[in-house]
Amino acid sequence: GESVGLHLPTLSVQEGDNSIINCAYSNSASDYFIWYKQESGKGPQFIIDIRSNMDKRQGQRVTVLLNKTVKHLSLQIAATQPGDSAVYFCAGASGSARQLTFGSGTQLTVLP
Amino acid sequence: KAGVTQTPRYLIKTRGQQVTLSCSPISGHRSVSWYQQTPGQGLQFLFEYFSETQRNKGNFPGRFSGRQFSNSRSEMNVSTLELGDSALYLCASSLYRETDTQYFGPGTRLTVL
Repeated sequence: GESVGLHLPTLSVQEGDNSIINCAYSNSASDYFIWYKQESGKGPQFIIDIRSNMDKRQGQRVTVLLNKTVKHLSLQIAATQPGDSAVYFCAGASGSARQLTFGSGTQLTVLP
Repeated sequence: KAGVTQTPRYLIKTRGQQVTLSCSPISGHRSVSWYQQTPGQGLQFLFEYFSETQRNKGNFPGRFSGRQFSNSRSEMNVSTLELGDSALYLCASSLYRETDTQYFGPGTRLTVL
């Protein structure tokens, strides 16, 4: 089955710096990946997604990179702000499966 | 457009009781998925409903069940509650295609005593 994990449980960055959050997955058949942000007391909030036919996708201040060769994806946040402090989850799915398999999450802390 | 809403936001039950949680999807969304979030296991998929039919199911015991109504609203039920069922239960809705993005509600915090 699918296994999705994250490299670091916590990450601290200075305000204004760029953040990189990493994620690895095990299922080569995974063809859809998504990043969510979860703030305390709230449900996960969609950030950006990417399909396996792409290597890179950009949003507002965020970029997701997918390396299918090593089964790794990353979320880059430019000019990190205090409001970016949250837990970030990557999730994956394969084929027609609607269930997302989530990683364990990375707590991002933005330092003033 | 209003987001996904879940009621109630907090629940306290005792072992052996049953509980029903409700989810109203984003207007126009026809697929509803349920997830359980715990500190130890993280976010785990429970099941997904589309057009009043369960389309996918995760690895949870039969005590966990759900249904979807014709207006796409969904409920999940947990019978014979156990201490380990204490968790944040999250509902996510999406349009209808399997590749559509899932948007989450705020969750229902269930505490089993």
